[in-house]
Amino acid sequence: SQQGEEDPQALSIQEGENATMNCSYKTSINNLQWYRQNSGRGLVHLILIRSNEREKHSGRLRVTLDTSKKSSSLLITASRAADTASYFCATAPSGGFKTIFGAGTRLFVKA
Amino acid sequence: EAGVAQSPRYKIIEKRQSVAFWCNPISGHATLYWYQQILGQGPKLLIQFQNNGVVDDSQLPKDRFSAERLKGVDSTLKIQPAKLEDSAVYLCASSLELRTGAEQFFGPGTRLTVL
Repeated sequence: SQQGEEDPQALSIQEGENATMNCSYKTSINNLQWYRQNSGRGLVHLILIRSNEREKHSGRLRVTLDTSKKSSSLLITASRAADTASYFCATAPSGGFKTIFGAGTRLFVKA
Repeated sequence: EAGVAQSPRYKIIEKRQSVAFWCNPISGHATLYWYQQILGQGPKLLIQFQNNGVVDDSQLPKDRFSAERLKGVDSTLKIQPAKLEDSAVYLCASSLELRTGAEQFFGPGTRLTVL
C-alpha cells in the first residue's frame, strides 16, 4: 500500500523559479525522507526530517513537516534544468523498519 | 566507494518463464532491500534483509517470487513463473544498518519486460 501521496502529480516550471511539492501520509511516522529519481543517476536520497523537526534545509532544498496534518512539503529554490526528475516522499511508519514510497511528483524544469 | 551493483540491466522474457536478478550491495551494508517499481509509480518494497535474515517480506508474492541472501552479502531475486504484470524495474538498495528511516543507496535497477 502507498503511505505517501504526492501532490501535484506533475509540475512544469521555468528555470529560476521555485518548485513546491507536497506529500500527505496516513499513519504516525518516525521520519520522512525525500528522494529524487532521474534517468542519469537513478534513485538518490535528498534529505531526511525527523518527526520532532518542523523544517530542514540542505542547499537549495527546504523541507517542512507538519505531523498534526500528516503532511510534508519540499521546496526547491532557483530551479535548474538539471532538477528535472521525479521526486518521492518516503515515510518510516512508527514501530517498524519499513520505508514506504509515494507515487511521486514529476518535475520538469524548462531552460 | 563502489555503489550498489545490479545485473542484468535489462531482461525480456515470455510469460511463464523464469528470471533471476542479482544484487551486490555497498560493502559493509548490513541491510538489503528489493523493490518493484511499475512505470509511473513509486517503488514498492518486496523484501528486506538484515544480514542473511528476512526482516520484512509481507508484500512479496511468495507463490512466484523468492529471494535469498545466503552469506549476508549478495542477493538474488527470482520470479518463477513470470506474469505480464511483473513487468517493472526491480531495484536493489542497501543501508548501513537496520534503523528506521535509514538512508538507502539504490542500484541502477533491472528493467524486466514480460511478453
